[in-house]
This record gives sequence, C-alpha cells and structure tokens, in this order.
Amino acid sequence: NAGVTQTPKFRILKIGQSMTLQCTQDMNHNYMYWYRQDPGMGLKLIYYSVGAGITDKGEVPNGYNVSRSTTEDFPLRLELAAPSQTSVYFCASSSRTPNTEAFFGQGTRLTVV
Amino acid sequence: AQKITQTQPGMFVQEKEAVTLDCTYDTSDPSYGLFWYKQPSSGEMIFLIYQGSYDQQNATEGRYSLNFQKARKSANLVISASQLGDSAMYFCAMREGGGYSTLTFGKGTMLLVSP
Repeated sequence: NAGVTQTPKFRILKIGQSMTLQCTQDMNHNYMYWYRQDPGMGLKLIYYSVGAGITDKGEVPNGYNVSRSTTEDFPLRLELAAPSQTSVYFCASSSRTPNTEAFFGQGTRLTVV
Repeated sequence: AQKITQTQPGMFVQEKEAVTLDCTYDTSDPSYGLFWYKQPSSGEMIFLIYQGSYDQQNATEGRYSLNFQKARKSANLVISASQLGDSAMYFCAMREGGGYSTLTFGKGTMLLVSP
C-alpha cells in the first residue's frame, strides 16, 4: 500500500536552477496539497488541487507552479530557485469529505545554495 | 489572523505521566474538523486523532484523547501514560467544511518525554 509517494527525498539546487518535485497517490483522492515546512515552523500551504485540471494558490505560492493532469499526480515546479526556497516540502492527499485525514508523503528536503 | 494557535513551543513531561498540548482555533464555519498530527525526528507526518465540530463526544484513540471545548474554540490533545517514543513535534490542524477546504496547521509544540 504505497499511499503518497514523493521524489526525490533530498536535493541540492544552485540558485537559479529549476526542478520538479514529483508526487503521486494511489488512494483515488480528489484533494492534493503541497506544503513547505521551514525549520521549527508549521506547514504552510503552497498550492492545492481539488481534482484533475483544477488547482489553486495557497498561502505561499510565489516561485512555484503546479499542474494536475491526472487524479494520481501533482508535481510541484520550482523555477529560478532562491535560497528562501530552502525547506522541507510535503505532498499530501485527502478525500473530499471534510472529516477524513490527509495522508502525507515522506517529504523532500531541498537546499538551495 | 491565525486560524490555529498553539501557544506552547515546547513541553516537558516525565515518562508515564499525562500531558496536555493546547490548540485554539478560529473559524466562522459551523462545519469543521480538527486534526492532530505527530512529527517525530525522522520527519514523517503521522495522523493521530480527529474531532468533528458536530461530534457530541470527545474523540479518543488509544492513549490519545481530544478535550474539545467548542464554545472556547479549543481542541487540546491529551496524551496519557507518556512514553519515550512520544517525543516529537505535534501539530494541530483544521479543515473547514464549506467550499474547497484545505488543511491549515498551527506552528506546533515540541514534546520531550524524559525517563
């Protein structure tokens, strides 16, 4: 039972480089999310999607882009990486029912140097 | 305005004692859910317990229980008989029921359990 799978687990980027964080879930969840967690802080929502073809900005979307072409996949694109994007990134998914928990991937630790 | 407030940056408890982690929330939506997650030092997010706004009873899951006081807008996590493995970061989160709702997190409380 895979749940939510994120790749890569670790990545070092140079300033100005771009990369895509991959996220896939096998629970047929409508909702998918991308969060970032800075050291000693809670999780801040970057983008979310309520279904294939539908995405929306969260609290901290600047510097990121997403797409949702299938129910399973929700990649996060970083364009022109900046040191401020050094963080741990979590992908999560949930059903549309408000009383169900979100399932999280293992996280991606990204360092921009 | 913050939707979820966790006022305790850190808490210490001795093994086998009970501990309460505080969480207050702010919403005008009558339908919402409150969640607690545990994040050990390994980094993964582990779901612990859920409380719905219309639930009549406080949620319990093994050693975890939720002290839900709706009028005060608080949803405190109670861990009974603490174990060393309970040392972790604990996050309170809320999902509102209306429209396209997302999960909003508090800043977390670091719990350290000592022998």
